[in-house]
Amino acid sequence: KNEVEQSPQNLTAQEGEFITINCSYSVGISALHWLQQHPGGGIVSLFMLSSGKKKHGRLIATINIQEKHSSLHITASHPRDSAVYICAVYDGFSGGGADGLTFGKGTHLIIQP
Amino acid sequence: EAQVTQNPRYLITVTGKKLTVTCSQNMNHEYMSWYRQDPGLGLRQIYYSMNVEVTDKGDVPEGYKVSRKEKRNFPLILESPSPNQTSLYFCASSLTPSGEAFFGQGTRLTVV
Repeated sequence: KNEVEQSPQNLTAQEGEFITINCSYSVGISALHWLQQHPGGGIVSLFMLSSGKKKHGRLIATINIQEKHSSLHITASHPRDSAVYICAVYDGFSGGGADGLTFGKGTHLIIQP
Repeated sequence: EAQVTQNPRYLITVTGKKLTVTCSQNMNHEYMSWYRQDPGLGLRQIYYSMNVEVTDKGDVPEGYKVSRKEKRNFPLILESPSPNQTSLYFCASSLTPSGEAFFGQGTRLTVV
């Protein structure tokens, strides 16, 4: 079973700062997802990637397959970016048990004005 | 609009009283899954379904049942809820198990 570790667990920053959230996993994967969960509970998909880098607005996600590591960056952070960011990986069906995403425990981000 | 609809959003019930949380998606996705989210533990898979009439256990299936009679619907059934099933529940769907996941709004269940 893949072990997904996120760091930091909690992060408080000032508006405008550059934010980096890290995710590492223990077993080779075919896909990695970054998700955002706002207070009130809803979860939305930000990125799905299997190699390289993706950018959407102020958000950038990178993955290094060899190092089993991904980062989510937020440029020019804003209070509306305050949320829990969750990393999830898919390593294929192992023949028993769950077949689906394995999730990190999330990074709670607060951006202060 | 592409969406996954879960109901109810909030539910307080008593131990042993059967309940069903409904989940419906309008994207013709093959794969659907139920998760529970608990503080300090993250999201854990309860059950998943690869297609109609095909369901299987996830990591924490004890105390839950599911059915997939139609592609769009994937209800979660608690036959005899217990307080340790108090949690935040999410339904999700995607084209494949590894694909972009669309989540429902969540159901906050309290069992007293």
